[in-house]
Amino acid sequence: GENVEQHPSTLSVQEGDSAVIKCTYSDSASNYFPWYKQELGKRPQLIIDIRSNVGEKKDQRIAVTLNKTAKHFSLHITETQPEDSAVYFCAANSGSARQLTFGSGTQLTVLP
Amino acid sequence: GAGVSQSPSNKVTEKGKDVELRCDPISGHTALYWYRQSLGQGLEFLIYFQGNSAPDKSGLPSDRFSAERTGGSVSTLTIQRTQQEDSAVYLCASSLLAGGGTDTQYFGPGTRLTVL
Repeated sequence: GENVEQHPSTLSVQEGDSAVIKCTYSDSASNYFPWYKQELGKRPQLIIDIRSNVGEKKDQRIAVTLNKTAKHFSLHITETQPEDSAVYFCAANSGSARQLTFGSGTQLTVLP
Repeated sequence: GAGVSQSPSNKVTEKGKDVELRCDPISGHTALYWYRQSLGQGLEFLIYFQGNSAPDKSGLPSDRFSAERTGGSVSTLTIQRTQQEDSAVYLCASSLLAGGGTDTQYFGPGTRLTVL
């Protein structure tokens, strides 16, 4: 089955700096890669996603890149703000149900 | 419109008791997923429903876990003879279509289950 690995597990940056989170996946059939942000005690919220027919997608301060050959994808947050502090999860779809297999999460802390 | 809702938000039970967790997906969404999130961990797939098709139960950890979806809408996850290792947040998600598996999954707020 699919295996998604996510690094780093914790990341601290100064406000205004950039943050990068990286994930790798194992199933070459995966074709959808969402990123979710989860604040403490809240539900996961989709922040950006990418499908395998594109290599990069941007939405304001957030961008995601996908390298299908190497089976890795990354989240880039520029001009970080304290409200960006949360746990971020990458995921890849797989299996007969096209369920999401999640990475283990990255606790991002943006220091004011 | 209304998002995915789940009830109860919190459930405390004693070891050995049965529990039922409910999920109301977004209206019109044909695909429904259950995931489990243990403390400080990522989400783990449990079961999937698509329309009137037989559910995909490949993620259920044991035969104590079961789920049903009535009328293609509301779903109930049942855990029988609960164990302490069942303690987790149970999250439900729905998506408009599952074809190709690239539709956005929208999550509910979850049910925090604590087994004493």
